[in-house]
Amino acid sequence: NAGVTQTPKFRILKIGQSMTLQCTQDMNHNYMYWYRQDPGMGLKLIYYSVGAGITDKGEVPNGYNVSRSTTEDFPLRLELAAPSQTSVYFCASSYSSSGAGTEAFFGQGTRLTVV
Amino acid sequence: GENVGLHLPTLSVQEGDNSIINCAYSNSASDYFIWYKQESGKGPQFIIDIRSNMDKRQGQRVTVLLNKTVKHLSLQIAATQPGDSAVYFCAENMEGDYKLSFGAGTTVTVRA
Repeated sequence: NAGVTQTPKFRILKIGQSMTLQCTQDMNHNYMYWYRQDPGMGLKLIYYSVGAGITDKGEVPNGYNVSRSTTEDFPLRLELAAPSQTSVYFCASSYSSSGAGTEAFFGQGTRLTVV
Repeated sequence: GENVGLHLPTLSVQEGDNSIINCAYSNSASDYFIWYKQESGKGPQFIIDIRSNMDKRQGQRVTVLLNKTVKHLSLQIAATQPGDSAVYFCAENMEGDYKLSFGAGTTVTVRA
């Protein structure tokens, strides 16, 4: 199993540009998440999904959108990039929603810089 | 090389010593806790977990302690090795919730 795969690994965007961060997992996990990690900080939840066709906002959803058309894929969309969105983005998945099994498996991250 | 009690953002440990990393969690309703290790340039990796009906759990070279009275979680690493240098995060989850809430992290540096 490849686990959770994110692309691209690095990206530089200009203010106002848009892009999609790709995430796919091959573990047949129902639950998927997008986090952002700012320097020296913990991870903050942007969006999450409990299954194909279902998505919901996390702590910091503004400026982002997601979709979940398949179990495997959970892309994150930035429509109008802003400098405040400069961060490292992590996609994660888990097979359970709570308790044991909630342990999330993380991708390698996408380092995004908005200039 | 030990640090007990308060959460500190950094911890410097002599190789071979034991490390203690602390975390204060926020939600008294949380019932599941996880420690993650994040090496430079990588995503967080699961280390060990504990449920709220336990106060101690041991893994290979790691032990997690949970004190629900003061909402405190700690990770002990025995015989710290250079490969243990990383940022360590605690995360909490509440039954019926879909997401993990992460702490700020502690950067552990192992001195040779």
